[in-house]
Amino acid sequence: QQQVKQSPQSLIVQKGGISIINCAYENTAFDYFPWYQQFPGKGPALLIAIRPDVSEKKEGRFTISFNKSAKQFSLHIMDSQPGDSATYFCAASGWDDKIIFGKGTRLHILP
Amino acid sequence: KAGVTQTPRYLIKTRGQQVTLSCSPISGHRSVSWYQQTPGQGLQFLFEYFSETQRNKGNFPGRFSGRQFSNSRSEMNVSTLELGDSALYLCASSLSLSKNIQYFGAGTRLSVL
Repeated sequence: QQQVKQSPQSLIVQKGGISIINCAYENTAFDYFPWYQQFPGKGPALLIAIRPDVSEKKEGRFTISFNKSAKQFSLHIMDSQPGDSATYFCAASGWDDKIIFGKGTRLHILP
Repeated sequence: KAGVTQTPRYLIKTRGQQVTLSCSPISGHRSVSWYQQTPGQGLQFLFEYFSETQRNKGNFPGRFSGRQFSNSRSEMNVSTLELGDSALYLCASSLSLSKNIQYFGAGTRLSVL
């Protein structure tokens, strides 16, 4: 019940395309869903986050879509660029101040 | 403002040894969390310290321990190292116990031979 399942494990997208990463959770007590971006040799950095009271949040080319009934959320990267090539982690946290991460998606954008 | 600093960046140890990793959080941050990152398991929560007290603990054996000092700096210790302990160990700091906004260091890459 504490897991966050992330897919796919790896993703290759052409420059200019849309990258889509999906996550699913089971614990309905989660109330905060962040996405982190990690470049090689660096720690993860918070990219964008959403709460379950909204279905979508957009920041620049990055959009989170949230489906509360299905307990799923996804990250869309529009107009994907080579500089977006990184590992992306979804996560979920709740009232107990614990955070659970997905296993990550390695995204490669072809130039 | 300086970010989260982890030292050393790389470590090579042999089985059975022990190791201590250090983390200096962002100035003013009182919460420090530690994570283990491996290719197969992703990011796994080890433990969290706030105001020198362990507040949360993940599912890791007792060989993994930590502490936090009065200046919020934290250390993580792993005793009796095993090959499976090879990983990137990440430290993250935040202002409060909430994980909503965490800032990660670049990590310490530990290799156990």
